[in-house]
Parts: sequence; C-alpha cells; structure tokens
Amino acid sequence: EVQLVESGGGLVKPGGSLRLSCAASGFSFNNAWMNWVRQAPGKGLEWVGRIKSKTDGGTTDYATPVKGRFSISRDDSKNTLYLQMNSLKSEDTALYYCTTGGKEWGQGTLVTVSP
Amino acid sequence: DIQMTQSPSSLSASVGDRVTITCRASQSIGSYLNWYQQKPGKAPQLLIYAASSLHSGVPSRFSGSGSGTDFTLTINSLQPEDFAAYYCQQSYNIPRTFGQGTKLEIK
Repeated sequence: EVQLVESGGGLVKPGGSLRLSCAASGFSFNNAWMNWVRQAPGKGLEWVGRIKSKTDGGTTDYATPVKGRFSISRDDSKNTLYLQMNSLKSEDTALYYCTTGGKEWGQGTLVTVSP
Repeated sequence: DIQMTQSPSSLSASVGDRVTITCRASQSIGSYLNWYQQKPGKAPQLLIYAASSLHSGVPSRFSGSGSGTDFTLTINSLQPEDFAAYYCQQSYNIPRTFGQGTKLEIK
C-alpha cells in the first residue's frame, strides 16, 4: 500500500524557516517525481514545486511565489522528500501536501506563519 | 503561467442529477488535464487524468472530455458521496496550475 506521511509543520514567525518531511513507502520512491502542493485555509489548491528522480536528473522546479525561498530535496536512501522553507510570509500559511504526480497524496502538514 | 478557469465556482444539485463542470486553459494544453475531488478535511483524490482517462477505482459515473483549451467533468446520477470540491489541473508545463475549484453542494 502506498503511503505518504508529512511532518514538520507548526507555528513560525514571519521571516522564519521550517523544514517539512514526507516519508514514502509502498512504491519505488527513487524512481518517482515528487511534488508539494499547498492549500491555504478555506482556499483552493496551489502547486508549490517538484523534484525529478535522480535518474531523470534530480532537478527541481518551483511556483513563482516560492522561488528563491523554498527548496525541495530528496533522500532516496530514506525514502523521504523534503521542503525547506525560508523567509516565510503570512501568505505561506497553508496545509502542505506531498504527492506523486497526483495519484497518491499524504494527509498534509499545517504550516502557520504568524507573529 | 497557464491560467486555469473553472465554472461554475459553486453548484447546487440533487441526488440523481447529472452535472457538468467546465475548465478552460489560457492556452492550449493538449490533453494534459487532470480532475480531482476533495472532501472536507481530506486530501484531494485523482478522478480523471489525460482529460478523459478514469483513474483506477473511480466510479464510471465520472467522465471527462475535451482537449486544447476547453474541458468538462461530467458526473452522471449524482450520489451522496459526490458532494465535494472539484479541481482541474494542467500537467502540460511548469508551473502545474490548478483551477480555483468548484464546490458541489446538495440542493
């Protein structure tokens, strides 16, 4: 059974940093292109970014609002995806999901950016 | 960035109805269009990929059509569990943009 379990969310002050993790199991994580998607409270879905598999170059792409502040990485030895978030703003407050190409999703981890 | 526009933003319907949700892309995306269902407090679930292919385990009352810039999601014979939010997403290029969502409510 495919499982994606996010962790690392919490309350952080504007300008602060946070690292989210997504532990994957039940599929060949090292071959998967992984994505982060977020959802602000009461709002719609927003794609954050993705990382390709290492065999496909391991490169990353980001949405414009997070480019230069967020960084996606992966540790295939631990079957874990990461989202490093720096210079956080109040508008980054959201539930953050990790997902494969949209077929499998985690349950999300909540990030709140507030003084 | 490709803009995805869904209509309507909300929709009231009854059990047994047939409903259609539309999604328009700001430029041609071929058939690179996915549809998701999201229930309150839950993660999104993939319904349709490549505009018209039904994801495994999704009931056949769901169907998708379209190509280029105009797409539709149709739900035949609405069931109580179908009342949820629906989102389209283009997978043609980066960034992978979503529509703003359609909330399907019980009339």
